Formats: sequence, structure tokens, C-alpha cells
Amino acid sequence: GEDVEQSLFLSVREGDSSVINCTYTDSSSTYLYWYKQEPGAGLQLLTYIFSNMDMKQDQRLTVLLNKKDKHLSLRIADTQTGDSAIYFCAERLVGGSYIPTFGRGTSLIVHP
Amino acid sequence: DVKVTQSSRYLVKRTGEKVFLECVQDMDHENMFWYRQDPGLGLRLIYFSYDVKMKEKGDIPEGYSVSREKKERFSLILESASTNQTSMYLCASTLDSRTRGNGYTFGSGTRLTVV
Repeated sequence: GEDVEQSLFLSVREGDSSVINCTYTDSSSTYLYWYKQEPGAGLQLLTYIFSNMDMKQDQRLTVLLNKKDKHLSLRIADTQTGDSAIYFCAERLVGGSYIPTFGRGTSLIVHP
Repeated sequence: DVKVTQSSRYLVKRTGEKVFLECVQDMDHENMFWYRQDPGLGLRLIYFSYDVKMKEKGDIPEGYSVSREKKERFSLILESASTNQTSMYLCASTLDSRTRGNGYTFGSGTRLTVV
């Protein structure tokens, strides 16, 4: 079955870049998602990438996919205090169940 | 934008009470989900529904039931609340299918405390 792993914490200084990493297990065609959860709130879909892509950029966010290593990363440029949140990686097989497998989330702490 | 609305942000209930958590979405999504979120355990799927009156068990259905009488509304029911059901409950909906993957829309969550 699918398994998604993330480190639990990341601390960065305001203005630096943040890189949040995720590894997944399935090598079939897959969707890969990044969600953001602010304190006391639900999850918000940030972006997603299909496994035939290497990179996707959206303003300050860059998603990089290394299919060979099954490694997904989310880079946040010029990190701000408002980026402090939990970031969840999720994977979903194309043609399989439409229910994704979520990682346990990475808490990003941005300090001045 | 799709909205998923959960009726309560915070709830405090007594052990043994029957508890209803309500979720409504406004974009005609077929699929709706209930998760609970606990520190260190991430998101765990309780139940989901892919159509009106249809329901499927998730990973941790024990102690819960669900109801989907209308497409836009998915209710989670705690038949007899217990303290180990104290948690954050998240509802989500999606148009995703086996071949389409645009992701979920989540509600803001209900933090339930059972005393």
C-alpha cells in the first residue's frame, strides 16, 4: 500500500527559503498534493502535481518531484510569519481509490 | 470557490451523549469524508460517502456512524460519546474520481471535547 513520510518539524528565519520534504512509496501514476493547515483551521489545498511532471511553480511556491527517488519537496521562497503552519503531503494513485494517503504533516515555524 | 461548512467550531459534550456533527458543501460534490485529527497521529479517515445514502467505512469507524440523506450534507454521529473521542473532526468533499485528482476541500474543523 501507499505510505507517505515527512519530517515533523522545520524551523526557518523570516525571509529565508523553506524546503519541506516528503517521500512516497508508489511508483505508478499518481497525484501528489500539498496542503496547508493554519492553527485551529482545516486543511487548505496549496498545489498538486501529477507524476509525469518534474516541477510546478506558483508565485512563492515551487514543487519539485524526483520520481526516481520518490521524493517530493515544497519550497517556499521569502518565508513569512504567515507561512507558519502544518504542511501535509498526500499521494493518490490514478485509477485506484480516490482517497489519498496523507503524511503526518510538517510543522513549519518561522521566527524573526 | 467551493465551501465546506461545519456547523460548530467548538463543542463540549458529556460522556454517553449522542453527538451530531454536521457538514454542508455547496458545489455538488459526490464524495464527502469525515476525518479525525490527533497530535502525532495525523489524519485518520472515519467514514466516507460517494453518493446520497451511500457510505463506506474508513480506517477507524468504531463508535461512529454517518448519514447522507441529501447530496450536500454529510453528518457524523457519535452514538455514545466517550472521552477518547475528544479530537478535531474535519469534513472534506471532492469531485475527484479514479482518474481525476483535483484534491479535497476541507471545512474549518470541529474541536470536540468529551467530558
